[in-house]
Amino acid sequence: AQSVTQPDIHITVSEGASLELRCNYSYGATPYLFWYVQSPGQGLQLLLKYFSGDTLVQGIKGFEAEFKRSQSSFNLRKPSVHWSDAAEYFCAVDSNYQLIWGAGTKLIIKP
Amino acid sequence: EAGVVQSPRYKIIEKKQPVAFWCNPISGHNTLYWYRQNLGQGPELLIRYENEEAVDDSQLPKDRFSAERLKGVDSTLKIQPAELGDSAVYLCASSLRGKEAFFGQGTRLTVV
Repeated sequence: AQSVTQPDIHITVSEGASLELRCNYSYGATPYLFWYVQSPGQGLQLLLKYFSGDTLVQGIKGFEAEFKRSQSSFNLRKPSVHWSDAAEYFCAVDSNYQLIWGAGTKLIIKP
Repeated sequence: EAGVVQSPRYKIIEKKQPVAFWCNPISGHNTLYWYRQNLGQGPELLIRYENEEAVDDSQLPKDRFSAERLKGVDSTLKIQPAELGDSAVYLCASSLRGKEAFFGQGTRLTVV
């Protein structure tokens, strides 16, 4: 069965430091992969997506993610976080037009 | 362009009462989703529509939940009667088939 694992429930990073959020998936075919961000009390906003082609994808707000087929991973990165990046981040894989979601990683920013 | 619009934003009801949520998707999006999100968890799909047809409702608790998407545009999700365990955020999303989903701000339901 398809699944998405985000191994870190929460991560604390100092403002200005780099960030990497991990995502591993289990999917038989070539996956469509997504990262969404959810601020408190808000809906989910798409950060970036991978459908095919270049395995390093750029998203909004300075985020990028790299698809590594050999590791079944799609980790999210940002070189320098801002306090406004504090939110919950969800990785998802499209399985026959249904999104399979990870449990989310809560990002906490230290001043 | 307007995004996915949901109403109400918040709803508090007593258990055993009915409740309904409304969603207006992005214009032209033929796929519409209803998700339920519990605190600290990812969204769980309740139902997916392609135009006016419910193509995946396997996770919808049909004894108390119902949904409709008349004319293949806006949609309503109803719970009757509500139970304490239904307290959650109900998210609506829409997409063009095969493309990324765009989400509304959700309706936070509290059942007391």
